[in-house]
Amino acid sequence: RKEVEQDPGPFNVPEGATVAFNCTYSNSASQSFFWYRQDCRKEPKLLMSVYSSGNEDGRFTAQLNRASQYISLLIRDSKLSDSATYLCVENTNAGKSTFGDGTTLTVKP
Amino acid sequence: GAVVSQHPSRVICKSGTSVKIECRSLDFQATTMFWYRQFPKKSLMLMATSNEGSKATYEQGVEKDKFLINHASLTLSTLTVTSAHPEDSSFYICSAGGWGQGIDEQYFGPGTRLTVT
Repeated sequence: RKEVEQDPGPFNVPEGATVAFNCTYSNSASQSFFWYRQDCRKEPKLLMSVYSSGNEDGRFTAQLNRASQYISLLIRDSKLSDSATYLCVENTNAGKSTFGDGTTLTVKP
Repeated sequence: GAVVSQHPSRVICKSGTSVKIECRSLDFQATTMFWYRQFPKKSLMLMATSNEGSKATYEQGVEKDKFLINHASLTLSTLTVTSAHPEDSSFYICSAGGWGQGIDEQYFGPGTRLTVT
């Protein structure tokens, strides 16, 4: 079983739609979690940190469920510019990160 | 946020040659940097952890004699792909920062696309 698993998609949604991604992790000792966004042929960029209490930043909401060992990302009112691959990341040891394979989102007009 | 640079951004080389990739943290010191490779439509795979002033820590299955890492200063780590073969063609990305250095996120370099012919 992979340490971090994501539904690869692709998710194809119209502009304005709400879309949610889930990510599961296997290591219950994982300390911190992040969502990164990666555009085609570019490096990943941090989108959000994920806290136990949930984290909201504009149209984006991230939540962590430690009991079920999953992290979610909700995008409201999707924009064309949201089209990208979203990577779920866990940090288990100091400075060492494990990435999921990513979920591809395409927002269409 | 912090800036990490990589050089070169793109390199094409012949089989059997060696290629050096540089990763620099431009506005902060990084005792630890990370090297990843990424295949098309796949996520980043950690290759090794580069430690300033000491040997790198390689992930299982990564040949340390094939992928030489040197972290000679707090702002520079280099990855040398020795005797490159076509299967080494990939997107190589470095990062610095991260939880272990008191920084919440990892800052990624822009990546180096290596093509071995």
